[in-house]
Amino acid sequence: QKEVEQDPGPLSVPEGAIVSLNCTYSNSAFQYFMWYRQYSRKGPELLMYTYSSGNKEDGRFTAQVDKSSKYISLFIRDSQPSDSATYLCAMSEASGGSYIPTFGRGTSLIVHP
Amino acid sequence: EAGVTQFPSHSVIEKGQTVTLRCDPISGHDNLYWYRRVMGKEIKFLLHFVKESKQDESGMPNNRFLAERTGGTYSTLKVQPAELEDSGVYFCASSQAIVPQGGDGYTFGSGTRLTVV
Repeated sequence: QKEVEQDPGPLSVPEGAIVSLNCTYSNSAFQYFMWYRQYSRKGPELLMYTYSSGNKEDGRFTAQVDKSSKYISLFIRDSQPSDSATYLCAMSEASGGSYIPTFGRGTSLIVHP
Repeated sequence: EAGVTQFPSHSVIEKGQTVTLRCDPISGHDNLYWYRRVMGKEIKFLLHFVKESKQDESGMPNNRFLAERTGGTYSTLKVQPAELEDSGVYFCASSQAIVPQGGDGYTFGSGTRLTVV
């Protein structure tokens, strides 16, 4: 079993739709949960991160962490064609543990006009 | 502020040849990381430099890979001799803090796409 599982998609949605992207993980020591966005031919760019459980909102983006289920989600409201990219989840342990992020495979999102 | 710069952006070499990838981190970032993404797979950690010292090289696949960071500035990753399975995208990232909290301050370059034929 991989440490981080993420459906590669592609996920195709119409403009304006609410998008839900998800990852599951097996390592209960993970404390930092991150979402990266990667455009074609570019490097991953951090969108947002949360520490431990709970929700975090930033504009149209909401990140949720459910540590009891080992499940994290990223919601994108009012999706735009410019949101079309690959979204990668990543997780790392807190200070004292392994700080190197473990990445999921990424989900390819296509938002069509 | 200039970002993390990698070159070449794309390299095609024959099996058995040598290739050297270069990464210029953000100025002042002591921490430099190399990652690799093989097609269809996850981004995998290769190694971490703090200044010129290797902090963690647990992800280096084998001794055909040699990373250096002389003077604690730019870094090179040499693959010698290259094999078909080395094909992928090699990313470099840098950070100011040794433990980037949740990825904050962890900046990736655009990567070098290596194709071994």
